[in-house]
Order: sequence, then structure tokens, then C-alpha cells
Amino acid sequence: EPEVTQTPSHQVTQMGQEVILRCVPISNHLYFYWYRQILGQKVEFLVSFYNNEISEKSEIFDDQFSVERPDGSNFTLKIRSTKLEDSAMYFCASTQAGGYGYTFGSGTRLTVV
Amino acid sequence: KQEVTQIPAALSVPEGENLVLNCSFTDSAIYNLQWFRQDPGKGLTSLLLIQSSQREQTSGRLNASLDKSSGRSTLYIAASQPGDSATYLCAVSQGRGGSYIPTFGRGTSLIVHP
Repeated sequence: EPEVTQTPSHQVTQMGQEVILRCVPISNHLYFYWYRQILGQKVEFLVSFYNNEISEKSEIFDDQFSVERPDGSNFTLKIRSTKLEDSAMYFCASTQAGGYGYTFGSGTRLTVV
Repeated sequence: KQEVTQIPAALSVPEGENLVLNCSFTDSAIYNLQWFRQDPGKGLTSLLLIQSSQREQTSGRLNASLDKSSGRSTLYIAASQPGDSATYLCAVSQGRGGSYIPTFGRGTSLIVHP
């Protein structure tokens, strides 16, 4: 069964450093998403991406965050200057179209120290 | 803004019991509803997807129902097993602006003990 692949599985970074989280969505999917889950809390929407542009973003997704689909297969989330409160599990998801199910990756656990 | 609530927040049962997990949502104009399973520290595994026009979906010992007009879905787990221990998440999607963004509940943490 096709999978959404996320790398790395765990990243530790120092506060103020830039991090890039990587995702390879399912190849025929058109809509891509980033979510985060702070330990013990709910899964929260960050951003959706369609047709090479952001289609919607949440209040969490401020100027410190950016997304990119650099080469038609990878989908990246960049955090420019990490804060302690950015520590969370970050999930990438994709779907073929509205009305289809969402496939989530296994997540990247980001720890900011 | 869509709000998704899951009840109960936690459940601990002996093996073999039949279980009902509840999910409610405030805006009934949904596109679909999906149930996920999350093991501790892990990703989200899709269990069942119900389209807005459907009433229920079944997969093995799992059955999910949807009552869109009342804003409710139920996940029924038959003959629970210790391997069912996980957090169960409900996610509701709406087609606003073409984004089809899933909104999650906080989940029900299930422990099935032998």
C-alpha cells in the first residue's frame, strides 16, 4: 500500500536554528498538509498546499514557517528560527482529492533544546 | 469554526468487551469523516473513512456510523483485544475553499487489559 514517507524520524536542534522537515507524499496525490501534535495535545492543522501554492494556513503558521515542493516529489516544512515551543511531532499528509481519505506519514519528532 | 469532540477521553476495559467511541462535530456541512488509530509516539493509521452521503463503514471488528444531521459518529469495536490499545482519533473534513482540511478531536485513549 502506498505510504507517505517522512524524514528524519527524530531531529534535535538548538533554539534559533533552522530546520527542514521532509515528506514524500503519495505520487498521485494532489493535496498536501502539515500538522503538528505537541505532546499530550491534539493534532493541529498548520498548512495545506495545492497546485504549488498554499491554499490555507492556520494562526500557528506564522512567518517563521514556510513550505515548498521543490521537485515534484518532496514536500518540505521549514522553520526558520526554532523556539522551545516548536517541539512537537510534525505530520505530513496527502490526499488525492476531496472526498478521498487522508494518508499520514509516521511523523518527525522535533526537539528544540 | 468546526469543533470536534470525542467522548470518553479515556477508557480501560477487560479483553472481550464491545466498545463504543463517540465523536461529535459542530458544523454538519462535512465532506467526510475519518477514524484513525495512533499508537504512543507514532503516526496516524487510517481505520475507516465515511463519506458524507454514507451511514456506516465496516472493517473487520470495526464499524463506524455517521449521522451527519446530528453531527455525530460512532466507532464500534467488537470483542476488544489488548492489541486494540491505542488512541483513536476522529477527523472531520470540510471542503471550504477547496482545501478539504481535516479537523481532529482530542482522541479517546483506550486500554484493553488481558
